Amino acid sequence: AQSVTQPDIHITVSEGASLELRCNYSYGATPYLFWYVQSPGQGLQLLLKYFSGDTLVQGIKGFEAEFKRSQSSFNLRKPSVHWSDAAEYFCAVASGGSYIPTFGRGTSLIVHP
Amino acid sequence: GAGVSQTPSNKVTEKGKYVELRCDPISGHTALYWYRQSLGQGPEFLIYFQGTGAADDSGLPNDRFFAVRPEGSVSTLKIQRTERGDSAVYLCASSFDGRGNEQFFGPGTRLTVL
Repeated sequence: AQSVTQPDIHITVSEGASLELRCNYSYGATPYLFWYVQSPGQGLQLLLKYFSGDTLVQGIKGFEAEFKRSQSSFNLRKPSVHWSDAAEYFCAVASGGSYIPTFGRGTSLIVHP
Repeated sequence: GAGVSQTPSNKVTEKGKYVELRCDPISGHTALYWYRQSLGQGPEFLIYFQGTGAADDSGLPNDRFFAVRPEGSVSTLKIQRTERGDSAVYLCASSFDGRGNEQFFGPGTRLTVL
């Protein structure tokens, strides 16, 4: 069975600083990988996804993620964080043949001014 | 255009009661998903519809949970004999055809079982 680990429950950064949120997955074959963001009072929104091809994926809102098969990781990055990026971030994995994601428990991003 | 809507936004019920949660997907989306999100956790898959039929119901926790989508658009999640452990936010999502297209999520229904 597939699973996702987000080792950081909370991350605090200063506005303008760079950000990296960690995600490790467990799945035997090539996974489908996703990052979602959930802001208070808003629905989950897809930031980016990886199915195949270039392992560096660009998403919305200036986010990117890199698929590293050797490390079973799909870390999310942003070079300069804005106060509006404060939210809950979820990494998810789906298996080939099914696009139904299994979500991690999430990382809460706190942005200090 | 309109996104995914869910009603009610909040539902408080008593243990043992029956509840129905409604999801209106984006028009034209054939795939519809239900998830449950407990406090401090990520969403957990419940059931996936392709059109009117349940293509995958492997996430339903037990037979107290049931969902329908009779006309291939609106879906209703039904919970019988509610238990306190059913308290969670129930999320609905839809996608164009369920083949890897982006899932668009609704705001959720917060269910509280007293």
